[in-house]
Amino acid sequence: KQEVTQIPAALSVPEGENLVLNCSFTDSAIYNLQWFRQDPGKGLTSLLLIQSSQREQTSGRLNASLDKSSGRSTLYIAASQPGDSATYLCAKGETSGSRLTFGEGTQLTVNP
Amino acid sequence: ETGVTQSPTHLIKTRGQQVTLRCSSQSGHNTVSWYQQALGQGPQFIFQYYREEENGRGNFPPRFSGLQFPNYSSELNVNALELDDSALYLCASSLYLRIAEINGYTFGSGTRLTVV
Repeated sequence: KQEVTQIPAALSVPEGENLVLNCSFTDSAIYNLQWFRQDPGKGLTSLLLIQSSQREQTSGRLNASLDKSSGRSTLYIAASQPGDSATYLCAKGETSGSRLTFGEGTQLTVNP
Repeated sequence: ETGVTQSPTHLIKTRGQQVTLRCSSQSGHNTVSWYQQALGQGPQFIFQYYREEENGRGNFPPRFSGLQFPNYSSELNVNALELDDSALYLCASSLYLRIAEINGYTFGSGTRLTVV
């Protein structure tokens, strides 16, 4: 069973729209939750990291929330732009800090 | 500039061959992890090295092995390549294990391996 699930798998929106990407995880023994952006064929760029003791983190137009009890995290993108088009990955940090468990990503397309 | 450099960027190998992928971390980054990302999938944890010792391993066979060197560089070696080993291989580093838990990891741009 997939430990980290991301919904939707793909999303296409018009420019300017606010949107929410969802991430759910099966194990509440989470140390942190990290959101990444990946452009086609490229590596990962860290966007936001939320510690298990925190509820949310914000950076510019991005806001990530974490609800450990329900096993969910959301990434909110305000006023989307075509440059936001990429795959967004969430990753759960293990308590030991030794590994990240990733979801399969949400492929976002923002149309001009 | 992420501070984590991987080489080569692309590589084509034949089934059964061996391959070595390299990662160069920022000075002082003594924690390095390797991930395999198949097309359309999320990255899968291969293993982690901390101060040149293996510090955790994912569900990968022994033909996947690694090394970490005192100069903060590391290698991923894969023997007896199979077609399913075709993937993007990512390296991630952090200053200390505890820092990684707080600040997260910095990823390189990856090596795209194609096995034919």
